Amino acid sequence: AQSVSQHNHHVILSEAASLELGCNYSYGGTVNLFWYVQYPGQHLQLLLKYFSGDPLVKGIKGFEAEFIKSKFSFNLRKPSVQWSDTAEYFCAGDSGGYQKVTFGTGTKLQVIP
Amino acid sequence: EPEVTQTPSHQVTQMGQEVILRCVPISNHLYFYWYRQILGQKVEFLVSFYNNEISEKSEIFDDQFSVERPDGSNFTLKIRSTKLEDSAMYFCASGGRGEDYGYTFGSGTRLTVV
Repeated sequence: AQSVSQHNHHVILSEAASLELGCNYSYGGTVNLFWYVQYPGQHLQLLLKYFSGDPLVKGIKGFEAEFIKSKFSFNLRKPSVQWSDTAEYFCAGDSGGYQKVTFGTGTKLQVIP
Repeated sequence: EPEVTQTPSHQVTQMGQEVILRCVPISNHLYFYWYRQILGQKVEFLVSFYNNEISEKSEIFDDQFSVERPDGSNFTLKIRSTKLEDSAMYFCASGGRGEDYGYTFGSGTRLTVV
């Protein structure tokens, strides 16, 4: 079955530390991948998306992600986190065709000032 | 930036009552979705809608649920007889094409069934 998994459930970092959140996908054929952020009490906001082409995708707020097909991974990175990055981060994927996007279980990031 | 708008932001209802959650998708989007997120859990797909019909639904989307696009702009989710376990945040999303491909989510409706 098509799925997305996130193995880090809760990450705590100090400000200015580097961030990498793991995401693995299980899709046969076409895959589109997304990272969403959910700030406390708010809705899901798209950080970045990958469809094809350059496997290194840059998004908003200084985030980037790298699609590594051989590892079935799409990890999210940020070189230096800020307190305002405290949020929950969701990796998501679809197989194209506008059917639906499937979410991972999310990673709660807490950044300590 | 275009937004998906959901109303109400919070609804409290008694068990067994019907509720209608409303969404106004982005105007040039053609694909519409409902998701829900039970507190502390992952975001779950409920249903997708295209060309005035359901294109896919999950096992959560049973006969108690229905969707409608009554007037070409609104997209509604109806729960006929709410249960306690329907308490969740319900997100509407709409999908664009081409460069706009992806899913834009609304701010959600928090449904509390008492």
